[in-house]
Amino acid sequence: DTAVSQTPKYLVTQMGNDKSIKCEQNLGHDTMYWYKQDSKKFLKIMFSYNNKELIINETVPNRFSPKSPDKAHLNLHINSLELGDSAVYFCASSPLAGANSGNEQFFGPGTRLTVL
Amino acid sequence: KQEVTQIPAALSVPEGENLVLNCSFTDSAIYNLQWFRQDPGKGLTSLLLIQSSQREQTSGRLNASLDKSSGRSTLYIAASQPGDSATYLCAVTGGSEKLVFGKGTKLTVNP
Repeated sequence: DTAVSQTPKYLVTQMGNDKSIKCEQNLGHDTMYWYKQDSKKFLKIMFSYNNKELIINETVPNRFSPKSPDKAHLNLHINSLELGDSAVYFCASSPLAGANSGNEQFFGPGTRLTVL
Repeated sequence: KQEVTQIPAALSVPEGENLVLNCSFTDSAIYNLQWFRQDPGKGLTSLLLIQSSQREQTSGRLNASLDKSSGRSTLYIAASQPGDSATYLCAVTGGSEKLVFGKGTKLTVNP
């Protein structure tokens, strides 16, 4: 019973290709996130969606387009992949959005993307 | 802009030792602080969540404290075991709901 799942776990692709990473949570949470962990292991927020609506966009290049078909899914589509996109991408979810929610975030296992 | 710093960056201890990991943050206007564990090549496991109104949380051999006014948190691990070897990440949540992470402390517990 995986709470937050991501597919694929590993993704190796050529520069210039378009790829997608999928995320699903079965926790009934309202908010989902995408984080990027770079080669130095530093984790940074990319996007956040609450109930299918974008609430955080951290100046990520517009080659990255998140899509939330429903509140249990948040997919990440990347166009024209570049070498610098190589990283581990983590999906996360939390119960509620809004100030003072103080909610715990639960992370998926990550997707290791390698761009050659 | 919130910044989170973790000290030390790496720590190596013999099995059985009690140890403390430190986390500091620049903006005290947080809603919560979360400690995570990350094993090599794996995802993040949430260890403890401390709400801004709380001073500490305990789970088994782990105890996390929060001093919001001074922008500090500590994670205390009692009677360390080789299985505790991992990278420990501290993260804070502010008004925008996003987690801001430190760079982690890599812990090695030697048998």
